[in-house]
Amino acid sequence: GESVGLHLPTLSVQEGDNSIINCAYSNSASDYFIWYKQESGKGPQFIIDIRSNMDKRQGQRVTVLLNKTVKHLSLQIAATQPGDSAVYFCAENQGSNSGYALNFGKGTSLLVTP
Amino acid sequence: GAVVSQHPSRVICKSGTSVKIECRSLDFQATTMFWYRQFPKQSLMLMATSNEGSKATYEQGVEKDKFLINHASLTLSTLTVTSAHPEDSSFYICSARGAGLVLETQYFGPGTRLLVL
Repeated sequence: GESVGLHLPTLSVQEGDNSIINCAYSNSASDYFIWYKQESGKGPQFIIDIRSNMDKRQGQRVTVLLNKTVKHLSLQIAATQPGDSAVYFCAENQGSNSGYALNFGKGTSLLVTP
Repeated sequence: GAVVSQHPSRVICKSGTSVKIECRSLDFQATTMFWYRQFPKQSLMLMATSNEGSKATYEQGVEKDKFLINHASLTLSTLTVTSAHPEDSSFYICSARGAGLVLETQYFGPGTRLLVL
């Protein structure tokens, strides 16, 4: 499905602080989720993924939490750096019947200030 | 690994002309490629899904005769915007999933900025 918004929510954090970006998804049957980072003028970059049989997954400086009860995902970035400034999208996989298409969230713009 | 390229990165064309955008998977075979469109400060909108050797599946509201998709090989898909008009100006991004990778993960190209005058 489409995810269209007139503006992006913005999260402003200071360098060194931790960031938490939230996302609500729509399909309770979705079993695979991805967080992407998109810098201005570039394509989305894969950050981390999680399957529905997990509640938490950690990567380098990033952690994804999944709450299936309320259909909520979050991305935590530790010790946020200026290079983390970008738009972050969550995406839920639509499954094989939909050709593994992704349904993207509206996105959150993260601004890291020195 | 899992690198996807697009060409051109930017294109300016006159209204009424056609523009072709290429999407290539550089280090894997892409069984499926996806084409998205993105307007400023908005999310990605899926236009179509294409599997190698078969016709693309278009999302509702996307004109298949205007946005021609060809996926002739496991490493190349093309999107042709026919008779482009100023309202077609947008950021077009492709992605791919394929052999040797997590089944559901899509890897994205760098995007193509189209400006129709």
